[in-house]
Amino acid sequence: DIQMTQSPSTLSASVGDRVTITCRASQTISSWLAWYQQKPGKAPKLLIYKASSLESGVPSRFSGSGSGTEFTLTISSLQPDDFATYYCQQYNSYSRGTFGQGTKVEIK
Amino acid sequence: EVQLVESGGGLVQPGGSLRLSCAASGFSFSDYSMNWVRQAPGKGLEWISYISGTSSTIYYVDSVKGRFTISRDNAKNSLYLQMNSLRAEDTAVYYCARGYSSTSWFDPWGQGTLVTVSS
Repeated sequence: DIQMTQSPSTLSASVGDRVTITCRASQTISSWLAWYQQKPGKAPKLLIYKASSLESGVPSRFSGSGSGTEFTLTISSLQPDDFATYYCQQYNSYSRGTFGQGTKVEIK
Repeated sequence: EVQLVESGGGLVQPGGSLRLSCAASGFSFSDYSMNWVRQAPGKGLEWISYISGTSSTIYYVDSVKGRFTISRDNAKNSLYLQMNSLRAEDTAVYYCARGYSSTSWFDPWGQGTLVTVSS
């Protein structure tokens, strides 16, 4: 099974900061990676698919990059609405390791 | 508006059964694959099952194989998850989520339904 490892697990940042979250796959997944944002008590929301394609309606401060085994989600200027937990998802194959363990972005 | 609404969650004793439903609207249901994803309290997301648009292909995560059954009724625009032999570790919010192909990102997601397995 493919395993996804996100880092860091928790990130403390201030409004206006540039934030980068990394997701590593245990084997190559080409560009079959998505990023989600989840707020407490809510369902995950799609941000990025195919590693770098921005979902319609998602602010342009969010961007994704990478291919193969290493991927990043970048928030160019953190806004108050962005404090949440972020998950990567590989969709090269279905397995227990489909999602990363999550990165919580907290207010510094 | 594309929408998914789960129902059927609740409190069940260990060893018991529960059937979750997911009502879809706003899109051509049979054209899309569907998934169930769960989230234990305070934990991350766990994909548990996939079904293709025609029900011809089904996948499960190992931890639910033999206990859970995914199905769909395209005439009713509905997705189901029959859960048997429930365990405490199955306690979670269960989400249904739409896919786009055999392997895909998930969008949108339903609001989730809570399943609590406890005596």
